[in-house]
Amino acid sequence: ETGVTQSPTHLIKTRGQQVTLRCSSQSGHNTVSWYQQALGQGPQFIFQYYREEENGRGNFPPRFSGLQFPNYSSELNVNALELDDSALYLCASSLERGGYKETQYFGPGTRLLVL
Amino acid sequence: SQQGEEDPQALSIQEGENATMNCSYKTSINNLQWYRQNSGRGLVHLILIRSNEREKHSGRLRVTLDTSKKSSSLLITASRAADTASYFCARGAQKLVFGQGTRLTINP
Repeated sequence: ETGVTQSPTHLIKTRGQQVTLRCSSQSGHNTVSWYQQALGQGPQFIFQYYREEENGRGNFPPRFSGLQFPNYSSELNVNALELDDSALYLCASSLERGGYKETQYFGPGTRLLVL
Repeated sequence: SQQGEEDPQALSIQEGENATMNCSYKTSINNLQWYRQNSGRGLVHLILIRSNEREKHSGRLRVTLDTSKKSSSLLITASRAADTASYFCARGAQKLVFGQGTRLTINP
């Protein structure tokens, strides 16, 4: 167990809808990253939040957005869902100190199905 | 696009045998990490090897790194049924770049 939790575990939505996924970081961690993993593929970096600010973004459109809260928990929001958004969404927390980024620890993921 | 490549894509061996998975990458690295994923769930961090290290051990795991060839390998010795999983290498610090993974099946 990494101490990183995600909710919900599974979700079914239809095209055009909006979805919010949640992540609770491991205690003491100040950085949260989100990844999308399509079936049979490796995870792809969506974005990272550090101290409530976006701190790097992958090749994902603006309809993917996020938030980090003062307790370092985080949300991933996806608007105007498309069929290709069906995937496992993984959250990872880590500690950044003095510019050094330590190992990322992953939660169990949220499986999203868009119909 | 994913910039790491694991080889083979799938590997099936008998329990007790050793399993070797390889990872190649294209750009220079500060470190490389290996993760395990069971049944499409969360990733478990296995080991991190820094660019100035050539080999690292953790229990039944042995990781090697050859920066001149831009490649790494993960060896699992004396495999067990519980080792059945997908294994990924990842490079990067802020943004982890994963390969497509090796799907390992351990047959009893």
